[in-house]
Amino acid sequence: DQQVKQNSPSLSVQEGRISILNCDYTNSMFDYFLWYKKYPAEGPTFLISISSIKDKNEDGRFTVFLNKSAKHLSLHIVPSQPGDSAVYFCAASVGGNQFYFGTGTSLTVIP
Amino acid sequence: EAEVAQSPRYKITEKSQAVAFWCDPISGHATLYWYRQILGQGPELLVQFQDESVVDDSQLPKDRFSAERLKGVDSTLKIQPAELGDSAMYLCASSWGSNNEQFFGPGTRLTVL
Repeated sequence: DQQVKQNSPSLSVQEGRISILNCDYTNSMFDYFLWYKKYPAEGPTFLISISSIKDKNEDGRFTVFLNKSAKHLSLHIVPSQPGDSAVYFCAASVGGNQFYFGTGTSLTVIP
Repeated sequence: EAEVAQSPRYKITEKSQAVAFWCDPISGHATLYWYRQILGQGPELLVQFQDESVVDDSQLPKDRFSAERLKGVDSTLKIQPAELGDSAMYLCASSWGSNNEQFFGPGTRLTVL
């Protein structure tokens, strides 16, 4: 049973525009969420995290929004750059244990 | 910059053979994770260590998989015997603590023929 879902397998965005990647979860006990970026032939790289006590966390061009009532989080990248083209995974955990990952969204930023 | 090291990067084996993967986490990281990632899916946690102790191995197929972290530093994941369905990327990650960002290694790509 997939507890973390990324329903869009791919997304294409023009350079300079906003990229919005979505993630839904089913377990209301999840209290820590992370986004990772993965390039081919490399391991995932941590991007940004958010705990359930917040609804927004910002780091440079990356902002993560958490809507607990909807069990939904999103990653906004503004402005999008060609180097952002990668597969993005969201992950969730309860108390930092047993991390569950989504299936990933492949982002392509078109120059 | 400190990195998580994994070896080998690629492994091809025949079914029923034994394979082993090695991971050296970032120095000082108490928590170590082994994940399996099948093509087109997200990483799936196999086992989580806190120092030398197993915190969670509920998703580890214990009839054929084993993992150890004897001195609480580097770790080995073993599969014996390997099956065709074990073909996947095996990722190791480490973190300061369980509720911190995880740093991933480059992974070991296993192909079972």
